[in-house]
Amino acid sequence: NAGVTQTPKFRVLKTGQSMTLLCAQDMNHEYMYWYRQDPGMGLRLIHYSVGEGTTAKGEVPDGYNVSRLKKQNFLLGLESAAPSQTSVYFCASGRDRDTGELFFGEGSRLTVL
Amino acid sequence: QQPVQSPQAVILREGEDAVINCSSSKALYSVHWYRQKHGEAPVFLMILLKGGEQKGHDKISASFNEKKQQSSLYLTASQLSYSGTYFCGTETAHDYKLSFGAGTTVTVRA
Repeated sequence: NAGVTQTPKFRVLKTGQSMTLLCAQDMNHEYMYWYRQDPGMGLRLIHYSVGEGTTAKGEVPDGYNVSRLKKQNFLLGLESAAPSQTSVYFCASGRDRDTGELFFGEGSRLTVL
Repeated sequence: QQPVQSPQAVILREGEDAVINCSSSKALYSVHWYRQKHGEAPVFLMILLKGGEQKGHDKISASFNEKKQQSSLYLTASQLSYSGTYFCGTETAHDYKLSFGAGTTVTVRA
């Protein structure tokens, strides 16, 4: 069981370039989330999804887009990367809100020059 | 809106106790607690639901005051393995956003 897999794990971009982070889970979870983690700011929610075909904005959605075309995959896109988007990105998935447990991927470290 | 955690950091000797607090300005449906070791992903500790009971996980327990929209995490007789950053996450009844606080860094020394 792989759990939650994020690709790529590391990436360096130049300002203005675009990229997509892929999150894949094999636990048949309905809920999926994208967070970014910056020193001193904890985990901030970018976008989330409560099921296949659904997405919703989190606390810091600007500059990011997401898609959940398949239940097991949640894609995070940066259309025009900015240095402020340098961060560690975590994807997480969960079965239902009452069970609560989120399973996190290992994180993707993105640097924008 | 992110919940507010306090303190930002705490240093303990093995065997000492500590309390981490989490508060929100919104009416909460649930409070979650996670621990993250350096360089690793956060790991689930427990969830407290509105109307639910106080939870425990080994010598780590938590409470949820629904009237005050506050939760506290209790580290009892701390062990070296308790070191890490603890995050509370909160969810309201109206959406499925799980928002985390800025974290509390716990260092347990021998």
